[in-house]
Amino acid sequence: GDSVTQTEGLVTLTEGLPVMLNCTYQSTYSPFLFWYVQHLNEAPKLLLKSFTDNKRPEHQGFHATLHKSSSSFHLQKSSAQLSDSALYYCALSDRCNQGKLIFGQGTKLSIKP
Amino acid sequence: NSKVIQTPRYLVKGQGQKAKMRCIPEKGHPVVFWYQQNKNNEFKFLINFQNQEVLQQIDMTEKRFSAECPSNSPCSLEIQSSEAGDSALYLCASSRRTGNTEVFFGKGTRLTVV
Repeated sequence: GDSVTQTEGLVTLTEGLPVMLNCTYQSTYSPFLFWYVQHLNEAPKLLLKSFTDNKRPEHQGFHATLHKSSSSFHLQKSSAQLSDSALYYCALSDRCNQGKLIFGQGTKLSIKP
Repeated sequence: NSKVIQTPRYLVKGQGQKAKMRCIPEKGHPVVFWYQQNKNNEFKFLINFQNQEVLQQIDMTEKRFSAECPSNSPCSLEIQSSEAGDSALYLCASSRRTGNTEVFFGKGTRLTVV
């Protein structure tokens, strides 16, 4: 079945350094990929989603590139901010599963001053 | 900001008790999801609806979980006989359609089974 893998459970970085959170997936069909962010005691909310035309989505300084050849959708940011500390989830929705979002295990990003 | 409203925010039940939580999806969103987020922050899909119809659901073999989304009423998720392992954050979410579209989450109901 479809699955999403996030290999890092916790990433700790110093403010100002670049961020890269890994996401790989398995799917029978070409899925839609998403990144959701969940701050402490808040609802998860959409950060980015993949485009069908291979454009690179960007939001709040974050970007991600869908690489179908390697089944990856890694999240990147050039310079981490303290406010980026949160849980980050990669998720997929394939074209045939009636909208179910399949989430990865999540990566906790902790930014230190 | 999400307008998915979940009540109650916190729910404490004894083992064997019924636990019911409600969700009002964002206006104009016919697709509703329920997820369970465990203590390791992992998401487990439970069920989704389009209007009042179930689209997909996990194999609730224990039959302790039931959910519905009646017209003109909040959606609900009910656990018939709570167990300690059901303690988790239950997240409701809604969207305009299925597929490549943003899903909006509520803040969740945190269930503690003592």
